[in-house]
Amino acid sequence: GENVEQHPSTLSVQEGDSAVIKCTYSDSASNYFPWYKQELGKRPQLIIDIRSNVGEKKDQRIAVTLNKTAKHFSLHITETQPEDSAVYFCAASIGSGTYKYIFGTGTRLKVLA
Amino acid sequence: GAVVSQHPSRVICKSGTSVKIECRSLDFQATTMFWYRQFPKQSLMLMATSNEGSKATYEQGVEKDKFLINHASLTLSTLTVTSAHPEDSSFYICSAGGAANEKLFFGSGTQLSVL
Repeated sequence: GENVEQHPSTLSVQEGDSAVIKCTYSDSASNYFPWYKQELGKRPQLIIDIRSNVGEKKDQRIAVTLNKTAKHFSLHITETQPEDSAVYFCAASIGSGTYKYIFGTGTRLKVLA
Repeated sequence: GAVVSQHPSRVICKSGTSVKIECRSLDFQATTMFWYRQFPKQSLMLMATSNEGSKATYEQGVEKDKFLINHASLTLSTLTVTSAHPEDSSFYICSAGGAANEKLFFGSGTQLSVL
């Protein structure tokens, strides 16, 4: 079945450094790739997303890149701050034109002050 | 942005009782809602897909008679955990799609503890 792999599972960086989280998906029909940030006991919040017709998207300190051929997509956070500490989930749509997603296993990011 | 409300946020119940969780889209019509289960430090596990006016579609391994889903209107879906047992204790979270920006938004989650 469809699968999304996410690495690393935990990531610690110094404040001000960059953080990169990588995901790989298996469904070649996937065309939408959102990233969610979840703080402990809270709802996942959409932070950035990318569609399959775009290779890169940036929003201030956050960027996402997509390599459709390799079925890889990555989240890049620059100039990290302590409030970036959370669990980050990538997701890939199942097929196209659907809200049904497969989620990655999550990355626990710690930004050390 | 689109707002999804989920209630209650926390439930503690005795084994054998049933618990109902509500998920509402407050400012858009949700054509599709999803229910997930999340164990501590783990990812979101999709339980079922709920479409307004039709039967929910359950993922493999999820008991439909155990987890009853009703999507009676375009703004409300409910999940009822029937005859709850301690192993049903978990964080349950809904999401809704259908907002004009075609994105999926999550409810705030319900922490269920079955004693």
